[in-house]
Amino acid sequence: ILNVEQSPQSLHVQEGDSTNFTCSFPSSNFYALHWYRWETAKSPEALFVMTLNGDEKKKGRISATLNTKEGYSYLYIKGSQPEDSATYLCASINQAGTALIFGKGTTLSVSS
Amino acid sequence: NAGVTQTPKFQVLKTGQSMTLQCAQDMNHEYMSWYRQDPGMGLRLIHYSVGAGITDQGEVPNGYNVSRSTTEDFPLRLLSAAPSQTSVYFCASRPRTGATGNTIYFGEGSWLTVV
Repeated sequence: ILNVEQSPQSLHVQEGDSTNFTCSFPSSNFYALHWYRWETAKSPEALFVMTLNGDEKKKGRISATLNTKEGYSYLYIKGSQPEDSATYLCASINQAGTALIFGKGTTLSVSS
Repeated sequence: NAGVTQTPKFQVLKTGQSMTLQCAQDMNHEYMSWYRQDPGMGLRLIHYSVGAGITDQGEVPNGYNVSRSTTEDFPLRLLSAAPSQTSVYFCASRPRTGATGNTIYFGEGSWLTVV
């Protein structure tokens, strides 16, 4: 089973702070790396799908980078807002290319 | 546009009872999966299917059964419910073509409590 690790497990920041989280995955047989935002009682919301080494993607104040050679991706949030409070999940495609394996998530709490 | 539909949304079961969580998608997606979400554990893959008649085990398959008789439907069966199966269950689907680069579509979740 593919091992996807996320750090930190949880994070508390003040409104306006910028922050970032890490997702680590096996660099061999890499297919794609997905980032999702998940709020309790809701379905996970897709943020980014990244496939190429060096990929950088941006959606508003949230951006992500990908390093497939060393097996990590960073998610950045610039100027955090209380509405950014959620669990951020990353996932990598399994070696057979048939299913997504998720990390345990980073839970972000933003205080106003 | 219905997308991925899960039923029921909420269910309470007694230990030892069996039940089926239904999942249907209307996007003609080949790949479908079931995940469970527990605090601090992220989303863990239970079973998945790459097409009608084909299923495989994920990370935590014990106590669950699946079948895929049609492209649209992927039910998850709890054979004899246990309190450890109290969780939020998500069904997901995505197309096979260009699959690694495709976003997956999630259902709205099924909250299951086993007492």
